[in-house]
Amino acid sequence: AQTVTQSQPEMSVQEAETVTLSCTYDTSESDYYLFWYKQPPSRQMILVIRQEAYKQQNATENRFSVNFQKAAKSFSLKISDSQLGDAAMYFCAYRRQGAQKLVFGQGTRLTINP
Amino acid sequence: DVKVTQSSRYLVKRTGEKVFLECVQDMDHENMFWYRQDPGLGLRLIYFSYDVKMKEKGDIPEGYSVSREKKERFSLILESASTNQTSMYLCASSPPAGLDRWRDIQYFGAGTRLSVL
Repeated sequence: AQTVTQSQPEMSVQEAETVTLSCTYDTSESDYYLFWYKQPPSRQMILVIRQEAYKQQNATENRFSVNFQKAAKSFSLKISDSQLGDAAMYFCAYRRQGAQKLVFGQGTRLTINP
Repeated sequence: DVKVTQSSRYLVKRTGEKVFLECVQDMDHENMFWYRQDPGLGLRLIYFSYDVKMKEKGDIPEGYSVSREKKERFSLILESASTNQTSMYLCASSPPAGLDRWRDIQYFGAGTRLSVL
């Protein structure tokens, strides 16, 4: 069974600085998708960024980028120029190609210090 | 915008009560999901449905059942609520995986925080 591990229950960063959230996963599949979801306090979870495993290029969405290391089964999220609105729980998730279900990590609570 | 609406943000129930959590989506998505979110455990899948009247057990289905009589609505049922079912419950919907890679993500409701006393 696939598993996703986020080893940092909590992280904090100063506003305007850069922070990296870690995620590792375990799978024997070669085709899959990886996601980072953000859950702000008392608000809906939204997709931040996604990565297709067959793509070598790391995905980027404005201030958010990933470092996808397929051989190491690592998928970290980098947030540049952190803003107060980035404070949230962040979940890493995995989906096998063709599967409907996501497998989530434990989550990392990110605090932004002004 | 996709909208996934959960009927209650907060619920307080007594042990042994039958509890219904309702979820409605407005994007004509085939897939709907119920998750349970607990600190340190992340999101765990309870059940999902890939079509009307179709369902599949997730990782933690014990103590729960589901109903999907209409495409837009997916209900989670706690037949006899217990204190260990106190948790945050999240509903999500998505189109079928692989159909359109740009739409191929799950959309979440705001969650229902259930307390069973």
